[in-house]
Amino acid sequence: KNQVEQSPQSLIILEGKNCTLQCNYTVSPFSNLRWYKQDTGRGPVSLTIMTFSENTKSNGRYTATLDADTKQSSLHITASQLSDSASYICVVSAVGTGTASKLTFGTGTRLQVTL
Amino acid sequence: NAGVTQTPKFQVLKTGQSMTLQCAQDMNHNSMYWYRQDPGMGLRLIYYSASEGTTDKGEVPNGYNVSRLNKREFSLRLESAAPSQTSVYFCASSEDGLGGNSPLHFGNGTRLTVT
Repeated sequence: KNQVEQSPQSLIILEGKNCTLQCNYTVSPFSNLRWYKQDTGRGPVSLTIMTFSENTKSNGRYTATLDADTKQSSLHITASQLSDSASYICVVSAVGTGTASKLTFGTGTRLQVTL
Repeated sequence: NAGVTQTPKFQVLKTGQSMTLQCAQDMNHNSMYWYRQDPGMGLRLIYYSASEGTTDKGEVPNGYNVSRLNKREFSLRLESAAPSQTSVYFCASSEDGLGGNSPLHFGNGTRLTVT
């Protein structure tokens, strides 16, 4: 069964500090891995998408890495800001045709940035 | 720059009542989706539409029907609401389908409570 597991479940950091969120997956055959940011009461917003051949991708202060051999990804947030407080969701896409191509969503890491 | 618009934002139904959740996108995307988000679970696909006039079941289609009215609009109908359908419902769209590399663009959700 395709699964995506994220850790930690929740995290509290001080403003200005860095943090790293983890994502392990067992989705096969792999197509791409995505990170989304979801603010409270809002829909998820795409941060990065990485295919099999990409091992790192940045979007401003967000840097995602992918190790397709170990089936692990991380999202590193640099110099955190209060506006980074949100849930971060890892999503893995499996290869297939039409609806057989499936996105498996993790349950997210809830990040709180405090003063 | 509206993106994906969902209505209503909140809804309370009694068991057995029916309702339709509306979704419209202004990005000229071919693919549209309905997901539900429940506490402690990743988003789960209810229905998917690869193009105007086509719809496919996702992981959790029971109790729901959809209509792809035109390229812009994709509605979700609950014919006889049950407490198990209490959830947050997200509509999304993307340039290509589930097997592609384009990001999903989500609306801000409809929070539905069935009593």
